[in-house]
Amino acid sequence: ELKVEQNPLFLSMQEGKNYTIYCNYSTTSDRLYWYRQDPGKSLESLFVLLSNGAVKQEGRLMASLDTKARLSTLHITAAVHDLSATYFCAVDEGAAGNKLTFGGGTRVLVKP
Amino acid sequence: DSGVTQTPKHLITATGQRVTLRCSPRSGDLSVYWYQQSLDQGLQFLIQYYNGEERAKGNILERFSAQQFPDLHSELNLSSLELGDSALYFCASSAGGAHSYEQYFGPGTRLTVT
Repeated sequence: ELKVEQNPLFLSMQEGKNYTIYCNYSTTSDRLYWYRQDPGKSLESLFVLLSNGAVKQEGRLMASLDTKARLSTLHITAAVHDLSATYFCAVDEGAAGNKLTFGGGTRVLVKP
Repeated sequence: DSGVTQTPKHLITATGQRVTLRCSPRSGDLSVYWYQQSLDQGLQFLIQYYNGEERAKGNILERFSAQQFPDLHSELNLSSLELGDSALYFCASSAGGAHSYEQYFGPGTRLTVT
């Protein structure tokens, strides 16, 4: 059974500083997703990482994938208050169907 | 706005009752997925349909069932409701082809069982 673990579960950030969220998964997969969720809202797709070594950047967020280590990271550069949210990684095993297995989420709070 | 719609937004019902949640996928998407989000279990995959047929099943209780209709909308039926079924239920859709797997999530239906 595929397991996806995120850490930390909670991250209190200071504005202007850099932080990293880690996502480990237990089986081989070439597709990893990062989502953002604001309280009570839906999931917003941030990144889709499709191969080993993939790196994607959007604004202050950068995600990378190491399939050999079964590890993805979400790096936040110079945190700002607007980035406060819960971030989820999810892994797609790619078998028949494309069900996503989600990590437990990382709740991010950016303080001024 | 992802283009995926879900109704109703909120649903409050009593234990033992039955409810139906509805989802319309993005235009052109053939795959529909249902997920449950609760404080206890986190985000869990329930079931996937592709062009009207069940494609993958997750931790879906026997009291729950789903279907996808010819117009590609989907319904999730929850029966004999228990307090623990209170959760946010998301529908997602994707094009469903070999290289079209990115899932777009709807706004969710918040179910409260009292």
